[in-house]
Formats: sequence, structure tokens, C-alpha cells
Amino acid sequence: GAGVSQSPSNKVTEKGKDVELRCDPISGHTALYWYRQSLGQGLEFLIYFQGNSAPDKSGLPSDRFSAERTGGSVSTLTIQRTQQEDSAVYLCASSATGQGYNSPLHFGNGTRLTVT
Amino acid sequence: GESVGLHLPTLSVQEGDNSIINCAYSNSASDYFIWYKQESGKGPQFIIDIRSNMDKRQGQRVTVLLNKTVKHLSLQIAATQPGDSAVYFCAEITINQFYFGTGTSLTVIP
Repeated sequence: GAGVSQSPSNKVTEKGKDVELRCDPISGHTALYWYRQSLGQGLEFLIYFQGNSAPDKSGLPSDRFSAERTGGSVSTLTIQRTQQEDSAVYLCASSATGQGYNSPLHFGNGTRLTVT
Repeated sequence: GESVGLHLPTLSVQEGDNSIINCAYSNSASDYFIWYKQESGKGPQFIIDIRSNMDKRQGQRVTVLLNKTVKHLSLQIAATQPGDSAVYFCAEITINQFYFGTGTSLTVIP
């Protein structure tokens, strides 16, 4: 398909373990975003990649969270030493330019992370 | 209506009626707004957008109204159908940042 793809769709991990979440954006989209959505909540911005520029990491909640985007395409969000409060749905989105009109975000279906 | 907070606002409508979902945004500098629909287990899907130099935009069965004076956005769904049941988010966009509200849960009663 041509949409944003995320894997795994579900992840259950034990407290203290590290996890990696993957996002394949729409081909050709230069902007990629990660959001976190807790139950019944809105979308919490985590990090933003735009082309080859340095990422905007201002939303990362702690230094346990990090993300990479390799070759301007696939992105990986890594959470180290997971805590129960990290349990949420992690959504990835991409947009053609990330700027302005006619460049909306296209979301994947998310990874539901459960930390036990 | 939609607001930032701990409780998800809810709206129930009869099938065939019109639905109105409201959103208050915070940044008067926001120049672009989008409504998204999120069904259970899926990511948000784009419905309709509007630029800040417009006050109304229509799509298929949906209309978005923008009132910049009071920083208010609304989504109107005509002839609501069971498939419209979902959580609806508004997003305000400033430069390259998208800010989302908590969402409104719409339930369509057959």
C-alpha cells in the first residue's frame, strides 16, 4: 500500500526492557512526526524530522526516548528502560513538506505499547 | 465541544441528523487547520482542511467553519451515518507544528 506503515502493531514488554518501534513513511514525504496517544487523550508531539535538517526533539518526555531517521525514509523510535507510564499508542505520520497548506499529516495505525 | 483536558467530550446523534463538532484553538498565529477522524484501532484520517484566510470550506457531506475572531473551528457532518462514529480531532498548524486537541467522540444511533 501507499500509506504510512508502522510495526509492530502491538508490543507487550516488561518494565525495564528496551523497545524499538518502526515507521515507514509515504514514499517521497520529507517530513516525519512521532506522536504518543494515551487512552482517551489527544496526540502528544514527540519528535519531528524534516529532510536532512536536525530533528526537533522538543517533545521527547525524557532521555530514555530517542529516534532516528535513516536515509530520509524509515524511522525508529527507541524507548530505553521502559516504564509503565510509557504504555500508550505511538503514532507516526508523514507529510509531503511538513509546512503550510496542502501538506496534511498522513498517519499510520500506530503501535500499541503495553509495559507490564 | 473539543478542549484540552482529561475527559473526552462525547456527542450522540440519530442516524440521518446533522452533527456539529466544535473546537477552540489557542494560537491566533495558526494559519492552517485540519479535521481528522480516528476510528478504533486506527490512526487519524484526514477529513478536511481550511486555511486561515477562509471562513468556510465544504467537502462531501462535511463543512468546516472558521471564526478567527473567537478562535473557533467547527465541523458539520450532514446526514450522519453509522460509519461516522469515531473520535474527531481538530489540529491547528503553525509553521511546521501540528497541535491536536483531545478529540470529541461521536456516536451515531441507528
